[in-house]
Amino acid sequence: AQSVAQPEDQVNVAEGNPLTVKCTYSVSGNPYLFWYVQYPNRGLQFLLKYITGDNLVKGSYGFEAEFNKSQTSFHLKKPSALVSDSALYFCAVGSARQLTFGSGTQLTVLP
Amino acid sequence: NAGVTQTPKFRVLKTGQSMTLLCAQDMNHEYMYWYRQDPGMGLRLIHYSVGEGTTAKGEVPDGYNVSRLKKQNFLLGLESAAPSQTSVYFCASSYLREGTDTQYFGPGTRLTVL
Repeated sequence: AQSVAQPEDQVNVAEGNPLTVKCTYSVSGNPYLFWYVQYPNRGLQFLLKYITGDNLVKGSYGFEAEFNKSQTSFHLKKPSALVSDSALYFCAVGSARQLTFGSGTQLTVLP
Repeated sequence: NAGVTQTPKFRVLKTGQSMTLLCAQDMNHEYMYWYRQDPGMGLRLIHYSVGEGTTAKGEVPDGYNVSRLKKQNFLLGLESAAPSQTSVYFCASSYLREGTDTQYFGPGTRLTVL
């Protein structure tokens, strides 16, 4: 069975500092990896995905994620955090049969 | 282009009542999904559809039924609501099959069962 772990329920970072939201996964075969963001009282919005190719994936709003096969990780990063980045972030791993979401990480960027 | 829309946005039911949640998408996507979101548990798949007239069970299907009579619509029904079904429900759609393609989400329906 495939699974996703987001080890931190809450991440706090000061505005202007770099941010990292962690994600590790387990899946048989080649993974399809996604990051989604959820703002309060809204649906999930797609940020970026890794299917194949370059291990560093660039996405919306200046976010990027690095695929590390040996560590089975797909951490989300941004060089300089904004207050408006405060939201709930979900990592997900997919295969041909299903998409599995992590439990989410609440990111708070402090002014 | 409205994307994925959901009706209603909020609903309060009493135990045993029934209701239907409507999802519509205008992106001509083949695949549609219903999820529920509960605190600390991420999103869990209830049912999904791989095309008009077809449906399949997801991770937590008990107590729910679905129908996809038209390609653009996906209905989620609760025949006899229970307090355990209090949750936020999200509909999503994708062009390719579920694990490999970006999913587009609706704004959600917040359901409370008393």
